[in-house]
Amino acid sequence: DAKTTQPTSMDCAEGRAANLPCNHSTISGNEYVYWYRQIHSQGPQYIIHGLKNNETNEMASLIITEDRKSSTLILPHATLRDTAVYYCIVRVVGGADGLTFGKGTHLIIQP
Amino acid sequence: EPEVTQTPSHQVTQMGQEVILRCVPISNHLYFYWYRQILGQKVEFLVSFYNNEISEKSEIFDDQFSVERPDGSNFTLKIRSTKLEDSAMYFCASSVDGQVNYGYTFGSGTRLTVV
Repeated sequence: DAKTTQPTSMDCAEGRAANLPCNHSTISGNEYVYWYRQIHSQGPQYIIHGLKNNETNEMASLIITEDRKSSTLILPHATLRDTAVYYCIVRVVGGADGLTFGKGTHLIIQP
Repeated sequence: EPEVTQTPSHQVTQMGQEVILRCVPISNHLYFYWYRQILGQKVEFLVSFYNNEISEKSEIFDDQFSVERPDGSNFTLKIRSTKLEDSAMYFCASSVDGQVNYGYTFGSGTRLTVV
């Protein structure tokens, strides 16, 4: 799996959009970008994934650059409950392979 | 919304004892996983299970670990002879399609404390 680089921590004001960057410059053509988050002491939670097109669901939007070397997760209206560690993971879709979690970005939503 | 259920939420065991951690994956899911997280460290993959057999395992998943799906609904992780360093949160996860269209669903974890 390709390696990802994320900032260690970020702050965002409640109600504002939180934009979390991820670099994955060695991504292969068949690798997807997945985002998970982990709220303190809970199990990780799937957010969104994509290959090359931008994706949106009820939780977030995922913007992938045209060269696919980086991406941004957008939480459009952050709430205090969005405070968590956010993980960007790159891997081939399908199959039973495990996920490789890095250290992620600790997003702190400020009131 | 369907959930992955893990029991117990917290287990304390003496070093050298055997423990079994239990998970009930989401009923129509086909792929099952165990992960662990030592306090303050990264979430680490242990093993994946599909079609009633292990698909992939990490270096952590050595001979003291085993998994089983005994009855079509439960998915268990057994640690035969626990060590102090096995103390961690253990997360079970399941997936309907190996993350093709949907991500994993994780349980809330079992905190294992080895004393």
